[in-house]
Amino acid sequence: DGGITQSPKYLFRKEGQNVTLSCEQNLNHDAMYWYRQDPGQGLRLIYYSQIVNDFQKGDIAEGYSVSREKKESFPLTVTSAQKNPTAFYLCASSTPGQGAKPQHFGDGTRLSIL
Amino acid sequence: RKEVEQDPGPFNVPEGATVAFNCTYSNSASQSFFWYRQDCRKEPKLLMSVYSSGNEDGRFTAQLNRASQYISLLIRDSKLSDSATYLCVVNPNSGYSTLTFGKGTMLLVSP
Repeated sequence: DGGITQSPKYLFRKEGQNVTLSCEQNLNHDAMYWYRQDPGQGLRLIYYSQIVNDFQKGDIAEGYSVSREKKESFPLTVTSAQKNPTAFYLCASSTPGQGAKPQHFGDGTRLSIL
Repeated sequence: RKEVEQDPGPFNVPEGATVAFNCTYSNSASQSFFWYRQDCRKEPKLLMSVYSSGNEDGRFTAQLNRASQYISLLIRDSKLSDSATYLCVVNPNSGYSTLTFGKGTMLLVSP
């Protein structure tokens, strides 16, 4: 059954700590995305990758880093430089092609500060 | 003007009612449009794409007015299970696959 798997579902970060959120997909999609959602707010794009070994900053990349070493995987690291990391993090993927294709989401990771 | 603007609601309607949501977008070059639904504390799920000629999927009808930069979603015969937040989503640049999400309109359907 194809889909996007995010882990963990809940994550707690201590002061000064880096944490990594996992995102794996078996949909054979080339493009992958990371979003952040705060309560009552829309999704904001952190990073995206349209192909392996390449990624671009989104609207709110500061304090985050990513890698795309494999087509299936797009992990997000929330670094200690991100001073307000508490949010719902969503990973998505889509097929490539001219124009935008619908994005399919994982079920998210909720990150909180200890 | 915000990139994608929606009335946050909530819209409170009884079962069986017809309800319409509107959305405006700022970038006239936008090429692709979608409606997603998001249940409380869950991920967004694609409801339907929006095509220039308008399109229908069961009880749901989507319309696009490029001249007014306006998208609508009509839900007929509302069900309790339609209670959710509906996100208007726009691709602001046809050359890239990024999407811009509205903050959503909350719908509450009551018995």
